[in-house]
Amino acid sequence: EIVLTQSPGTLSLSPGERATLSCRASQSVSNNYLAWYQQKPGQAPRLLIYDASSRATGTPDRFSGSGSGTDFTLTISRLEPEDFAVYYCQQYGGSPRTFGQGTKVEIK
Amino acid sequence: EVQVLESGGGLVQPGGSLRLSCAASGFPFSSYGMSWVRQAPGKGPEWVSAVTTSGDRTYYADSVKGRFTISRDNSKNTQYLQMNNLRAEDTAVYYCAKMQGYFDYWGQGTLVTVSS
Repeated sequence: EIVLTQSPGTLSLSPGERATLSCRASQSVSNNYLAWYQQKPGQAPRLLIYDASSRATGTPDRFSGSGSGTDFTLTISRLEPEDFAVYYCQQYGGSPRTFGQGTKVEIK
Repeated sequence: EVQVLESGGGLVQPGGSLRLSCAASGFPFSSYGMSWVRQAPGKGPEWVSAVTTSGDRTYYADSVKGRFTISRDNSKNTQYLQMNNLRAEDTAVYYCAKMQGYFDYWGQGTLVTVSS
């Protein structure tokens, strides 16, 4: 099983700032099959990025994904008020599909 | 518009059973694999089970193997999760998700609480 470790656990930033979230895999993720989700309280996770760097339908272009192998990054170029949430990475290159433990982006 | 809507959650005693349903619309249901993903209170999501387009192949997390059964009825655009021998650690919000490896559409979730 591929274990995903996200860092930091919490990111305290102000609107307009840049956010950089990390997701590290315990082994190489096949074909860079890594996705990122955003979750707000009381809501289901929402797909933002798939295949490490492809934006899902409706994902604003301030969100970008990068990385390969075992190291992946989600970058939010300029935080908007609606971006404060918890973010999860998920790999689908191996079985079972696994998620990271999440990074909370909170208002500083 | 893609929609998935779960139902069937509730309070059940340890050792009990529950059947979840997920009604889908807005996409060609029989063309996509489907999954169940759960999230325990304060935790990250955990993939539980998946079923292929025709329902002929099913997959399970080790934590539920032998206790849960996934199925689908393409004539009703619906998938199911039969949960038997439930444990306290199965307490979670259960989400139905359209699957393409990643999960591109999720329902709002249904809460399953296992407690005496």
